[in-house]
Amino acid sequence: DSGVTQTPKHLITATGQRVTLRCSPRSGDLSVYWYQQSLDQGLQFLIQYYNGEERAKGNILERFSAQQFPDLHSELNLSSLELGDSALYFCASSVGSSANYEQYFGPGTRLTVT
Amino acid sequence: GQSLEQPSEVTAVEGAIVQINCTYQTSGFYGLSWYQQHDGGAPTFLSYNALDGLEETGRFSSFLSRSDSYGYLLLQELQMKDSASYFCAVSLTGYSTLTFGKGTMLLVSP
Repeated sequence: DSGVTQTPKHLITATGQRVTLRCSPRSGDLSVYWYQQSLDQGLQFLIQYYNGEERAKGNILERFSAQQFPDLHSELNLSSLELGDSALYFCASSVGSSANYEQYFGPGTRLTVT
Repeated sequence: GQSLEQPSEVTAVEGAIVQINCTYQTSGFYGLSWYQQHDGGAPTFLSYNALDGLEETGRFSSFLSRSDSYGYLLLQELQMKDSASYFCAVSLTGYSTLTFGKGTMLLVSP
């Protein structure tokens, strides 16, 4: 158990809908990262927040957005969902803002868009 | 841009030693990390190299050669539970994120 929690574990929704994925980092960690993992694909970095502020952006679609709240939990919002958005979405946390810190991954949210 | 190359699949038998290679092309390279992921599970951190040489952690070791833009993960005394995907990831100077390779699936047979 990494100490990172993600909800929900599974999500099935229809095209065009909007969903929110939630992540609580490990106690004491200030950085939250979001990743997308499609079938047979590696981990695609989406976005990073550090202590409430956006720190880095990766291959995140304009239909996707995220935020980190004062209690450091983070939410990833996915809208106008398409079939291709079906994937595992991981949240990871680390104590610092640098990539040299170990990242602790949550169990993921499996999103299925039908 | 950045690119990382690692084999898509490696097979080995229990008790053997296996090496998973990772070559990268980046500018501003800072360090190389390795993560393990069991099927559908959360990736877990294995090792990090910022300097040339070998880092050993139990049965797992990781090596980096900055001049060759190359690293590897060495797994010794393989066990069935080592069957998983292994990802190398680079961090760049001045950036706060990791770029992951596509992963190597390791299949350990009895």
